[in-house]
Amino acid sequence: NAGVTQTPKFRVLKTGQSMTLLCAQDMNHEYMYWYRQDPGMGLRLIHYSVGEGTTAKGEVPDGYNVSRLKKQNFLLGLESAAPSQTSVYFCASSLQIITNQPQHFGDGTRLSIL
Amino acid sequence: DQQVKQNSPSLSVQEGRISILNCDYTNSMFDYFLWYKKYPAEGPTFLISISSIKDKNEDGRFTVFLNKSAKHLSLHIVPSQPGDSAVYFCAASDAAYKYIFGTGTRLKVLA
Repeated sequence: NAGVTQTPKFRVLKTGQSMTLLCAQDMNHEYMYWYRQDPGMGLRLIHYSVGEGTTAKGEVPDGYNVSRLKKQNFLLGLESAAPSQTSVYFCASSLQIITNQPQHFGDGTRLSIL
Repeated sequence: DQQVKQNSPSLSVQEGRISILNCDYTNSMFDYFLWYKKYPAEGPTFLISISSIKDKNEDGRFTVFLNKSAKHLSLHIVPSQPGDSAVYFCAASDAAYKYIFGTGTRLKVLA
């Protein structure tokens, strides 16, 4: 009963390095999301996807790219990491048919940029 | 500009008493509201939701109230238990795919 799995759980990067965060869900959900959580800021939407092969920008997309090549996976990339991207990143998925459905979240990736 | 606001960063309540967590929003187009609970080092978990066509939704010890005219919702937990100690986020949506979250309220239930 995995649900939403995020890898890695922790990572430390140097400014300018690149990396990819992986999110995998096994619930056959159409919609997937990437959020970042910063102290006092709540969860802010970075990018989201409404289906395989589609992506869209959220509230804070700058400095990030995403891809959804397979329905079960949603990748978040940082091309050139900056200290301002130090945060906890959460992936979520949801099944949207007719009515709104709640999101299921992974346990987060804690990313530090030095 | 924060569209969803939780103005109380923290709340302490005695075990067995009622916990009331509040949330205000500014966008009148929001039509679906949710509450999530988050423990440290875990992702948020869905607690309860309410559609804008209702003013109350109940699930066991948890009740959410929606006052559309005031653009205000609240989560009531009765009775509060120590295991309820967590950070609670409210979220709102005006479409099927996009959710805006508040900044969270840390609830501490004292035994």
